[in-house]
Amino acid sequence: DTAVSQTPKYLVTQMGNDKSIKCEQNLGHDTMYWYKQDSKKFLKIMFSYNNKELIINETVPNRFSPKSPDKAHLNLHINSLELGDSAVYFCASSQDGGRIYEQYFGPGTRLTVT
Amino acid sequence: AQKITQTQPGMFVQEKEAVTLDCTYDTSDPSYGLFWYKQPSSGEMIFLIYQGSYDQQNATEGRYSLNFQKARKSANLVISASQLGDSAMYFCAMNSGYSTLTFGKGTMLLVSP
Repeated sequence: DTAVSQTPKYLVTQMGNDKSIKCEQNLGHDTMYWYKQDSKKFLKIMFSYNNKELIINETVPNRFSPKSPDKAHLNLHINSLELGDSAVYFCASSQDGGRIYEQYFGPGTRLTVT
Repeated sequence: AQKITQTQPGMFVQEKEAVTLDCTYDTSDPSYGLFWYKQPSSGEMIFLIYQGSYDQQNATEGRYSLNFQKARKSANLVISASQLGDSAMYFCAMNSGYSTLTFGKGTMLLVSP
């Protein structure tokens, strides 16, 4: 049973298109996250949701819009894709974000914008 | 603001030997957590070990141990008896409360036969 799953695993698309990445966790966690890993392997937080509510929004272009229909799902929609959006996007989840717990990551989605 | 520094871009170790991966951190929060993650070539992020700032003892998980020196703000990962499957990128990270994980730049570990 996959704890944190993401679809798709690979996404190749052209500049200007709109795409979505879906994330689901079956761990019963309250908090979910989106991270971006660039070509140099550097991981950076994009968004954090706690019980379907946005709690952290780092400096991310507003072309990126997260949506959490319920606390087990956190989707990422990207409008007007640009070459610089090419990266690996990781979804993660943890227990109550108010305390310190380890985060469990999904397998990642490799986005390539051509 | 939190900061994680991993000064070793790459490390080499022979199979069955122990290796230490360095990590220093900076934070003004008195309560924080320190984590190590492994990212093999397949790309997934695997949680290895956690150390809380108030934990008195160093964390251990199987062959992994965390050498936590609070005064020096260091949280080095020690892998004992290295295996070929340990070859991967290793990330040190920290968070506190509602903050999210701040990652270091990673250390690529290569284990040779």
